[in-house]
Amino acid sequence: DVVMTQTPPSLSVAIGQSVSISCKSSQSLVYSDGKTYLHWLLQSSGRSPKRLIYQVSNLDSGVPDRFSGTGSQKDFTLKISRVEAKDLGVYYCAQTTHFPYTFGAGTKLELK
Amino acid sequence: AVQLVESGGGLVQPKESLKISCAASGFTFSNAAMYWVRQAPGKGLEWVARIRTKPNNYATYYADSVKGRFTISRDDSKSMVYLQMDNLKTEDTAMYYCTAAGDFDYWGQGVMVTVSS
Repeated sequence: DVVMTQTPPSLSVAIGQSVSISCKSSQSLVYSDGKTYLHWLLQSSGRSPKRLIYQVSNLDSGVPDRFSGTGSQKDFTLKISRVEAKDLGVYYCAQTTHFPYTFGAGTKLELK
Repeated sequence: AVQLVESGGGLVQPKESLKISCAASGFTFSNAAMYWVRQAPGKGLEWVARIRTKPNNYATYYADSVKGRFTISRDDSKSMVYLQMDNLKTEDTAMYYCTAAGDFDYWGQGVMVTVSS
């Protein structure tokens, strides 16, 4: 199985700061069609997960451009600029390139 | 708007069975692969099962942890997806989420399954 290693496990941030979350996979996430199926999800407290970014860098509808995703092959980063209170929660990276699909362990974003 | 609404969760004893359901709306259900993902209390996310579409022969796939015990199915006429869970174990206790499309595009609110004696 592809192991997704997310760091850090938690982040304390002040409103308005910028943060980055790293996600590294044990195998390349480039599929045979040339696309990279690495996604970012946010789970706010008590809620179900919601996808924010798909295929490395594509923002889902309604997601502010304060969020950005970069990376390739096995190394990916989620950056949040000017953090707002509604951004708090647990962020997960997920891969749908290889079966079984796997998730990172999550990064909890909290207020400092 | 896309909606996924799970139902059928509850408390069961080990080795018992339970079937949970997911009602989908707001997208062309018959064209979408469907998935179940679970989250044990205080833990991360675990993909459980996948069912493809009719052109792909409704092919199914399972995580090793549930293979042989869980069965995913779908009814395109009703826009429903199901998860039949047999021989339940305490470690199956989790919130079960229905998700739609290939890249975890949409998620339901989840349904809690508790396996305990």
